[in-house]
Amino acid sequence: AQTVTQSQPEMSVQEAETVTLSCTYDTSESDYYLFWYKQPPSRQMILVIRQEAYKQQNATENRFSVNFQKAAKSFSLKISDSQLGDAAMYFCAYRSPFQGAQKLVFGQGTRLTINP
Amino acid sequence: DTGVSQDPRHKITKRGQNVTFRCDPISEHNRLYWYRQTLGQGPEFLTYFQNEAQLEKSRLLSDRFSAERPKGSFSTLEIQRTEQGDSAMYLCASSFYGTGFNEQFFGPGTRLTVL
Repeated sequence: AQTVTQSQPEMSVQEAETVTLSCTYDTSESDYYLFWYKQPPSRQMILVIRQEAYKQQNATENRFSVNFQKAAKSFSLKISDSQLGDAAMYFCAYRSPFQGAQKLVFGQGTRLTINP
Repeated sequence: DTGVSQDPRHKITKRGQNVTFRCDPISEHNRLYWYRQTLGQGPEFLTYFQNEAQLEKSRLLSDRFSAERPKGSFSTLEIQRTEQGDSAMYLCASSFYGTGFNEQFFGPGTRLTVL
């Protein structure tokens, strides 16, 4: 079974600075998807960015980018120019692309605080 | 708002009572997922439906839990004889499984507190 580990329960960053959230995973599959989800307080979880394992190029979405190291099974999220609205729980997640549930396997989460 | 909705948002119950939660997915989505999120943890998969068929259930879903999706539209999750360990956030997500990516869109969740 696949597992996802986020070793940073909490992180904080000054507004406008850059922060990196870490994630490692374990799988025997060669093809899969990885995601970062954001869960603001009392609001629904939204997808921030996704990475297909077969793509060597790291995904980027505006101020959000990932560092995908397939051999090391590492998938970190970099948030540039941090804004107050980035404060939230961030979850790393894994999904198999094969037939079936395609359920998400989540890490424990990292709580990100933005200091003004 | 055409996103995923869940009702109620909060539920407080006494141990031993039955509770039922509802999820309304995005209208054209054929898949519906239930996850459970305990305090300080990430969500864990419980079960999913494709249209009205329940195709997979996690081992987390004990026989006190039952989920339905009549007519492939909204879904209900019922917990019978609640226990304190059932206290958690219950998240619903929906997606369109077909030729696209099958991105899951989440609802705001129902927070259950069992006293």
